[in-house]
Amino acid sequence: DAGVIQSPRHEVTEMGQEVTLRCKPISGHDYLFWYRQTMMRGLELLIYFNNNVPIDDSGMPEDRFSAKMPNASFSTLKIQPSEPRDSAVYFCASSFSPNQPQHFGDGTRLSIL
Amino acid sequence: RKEVEQDPGPFNVPEGATVAFNCTYSNSASQSFFWYRQDCRKEPKLLMSVYSSGNEDGRFTAQLNRASQYISLLIRDSKLSDSATYLCVVNIPGRDDKIIFGKGTRLHILP
Repeated sequence: DAGVIQSPRHEVTEMGQEVTLRCKPISGHDYLFWYRQTMMRGLELLIYFNNNVPIDDSGMPEDRFSAKMPNASFSTLKIQPSEPRDSAVYFCASSFSPNQPQHFGDGTRLSIL
Repeated sequence: RKEVEQDPGPFNVPEGATVAFNCTYSNSASQSFFWYRQDCRKEPKLLMSVYSSGNEDGRFTAQLNRASQYISLLIRDSKLSDSATYLCVVNIPGRDDKIIFGKGTRLHILP
């Protein structure tokens, strides 16, 4: 029973580089969420999709961040250009509806040097 | 008032003791509540949903107090393996429903 799958697990790159994080939600889940977690700010919702359509992107910090969901089984979160303050753990989660429990992937640990 | 608030802790509790912590929420129309557990350097995992009448799962009891707008989690006979961060989750109803995670309460069970 496959859960939410994220890749890569770890990413270390230099500032200014483009970073692409990937997520495959649980099959049948209509909602997909991208979160960022840091010690200072906790778990922050960046954006979420319903049936591949972005519903709320108010948490996306700035124009350097973009997210897409071209089909029901794949989503990307892109940072371009990356900055050291983007260093965090990025989680993807999916659920049947926003009021039902979300299932999280293992996360991507991103370090921008 | 923040949408979801938790005491960050840490709560340092001896093994075998009972510990409880609360989570307050600001939107009186919220209907869905959950407790998640997050271990160090791991993803959050659903611990239990919180139902209006309260619910129990083994050593864990969750309760909802609508009048005072808080949910609680009680852990009996705590184990070393209960050491983790516990995240409170509340839905914010609206045209587009949102789920808000609290910043979590850290629990350390001491041998």
